[in-house]
Amino acid sequence: DAGVIQSPRHEVTEMGQEVTLRCKPISGHDYLFWYRQTMMRGLELLIYFNNNVPIDDSGMPEDRFSAKMPNASFSTLKIQPSEPRDSAVYFCASSRHNSPLHFGNGTRLTVT
Amino acid sequence: DAKTTQPTSMDCAEGRAANLPCNHSTISGNEYVYWYRQIHSQGPQYIIHGLKNNETNEMASLIITEDRKSSTLILPHATLRDTAVYYCIVTGNTGKLIFGQGTTLQVKP
Repeated sequence: DAGVIQSPRHEVTEMGQEVTLRCKPISGHDYLFWYRQTMMRGLELLIYFNNNVPIDDSGMPEDRFSAKMPNASFSTLKIQPSEPRDSAVYFCASSRHNSPLHFGNGTRLTVT
Repeated sequence: DAKTTQPTSMDCAEGRAANLPCNHSTISGNEYVYWYRQIHSQGPQYIIHGLKNNETNEMASLIITEDRKSSTLILPHATLRDTAVYYCIVTGNTGKLIFGQGTTLQVKP
């Protein structure tokens, strides 16, 4: 089992650019979660999916953020346009129903 | 989901048991207590969870009080590699985890 795979591991971009973060969940898991972590705000849940359908996106900060899950093995989190305050580590996690979450190693995003 | 309260930081001597407390006085009957930890900049790692009964696995033990308003995570023989931030989370059937600030455990030689 390869675990949850996120790419890229690090992303540095300039303000105003589009950023796309990618996640491959563990095979057979039907829940997928996107989190963001900063020193100031800790770990925040942005959005989660069940069977590829977004269930709760109340944590998405604003319209510049969007997430998709076109199939059971792939999800993206897009920021357009990016701003310096979006700099953070973004984690993806997956799980089966009523089972523990498994987290990826995160994508460290720096927006200059 | 019920809110949890944890001490900000704790120290533990290497080889001794680390006992991390968590208060969750507003927990409801169908909510589980989960513990995760995060080592440095890695993704959070699942440790253990329980509903009513005490639980034990290869990593830790979880002791839940009879009224379920508090719990304790026990690392029986702490090592330097157990230095991490430990999160106690209460969650219901949605499965989503809302993280607080956690307890920073420093294991010292």
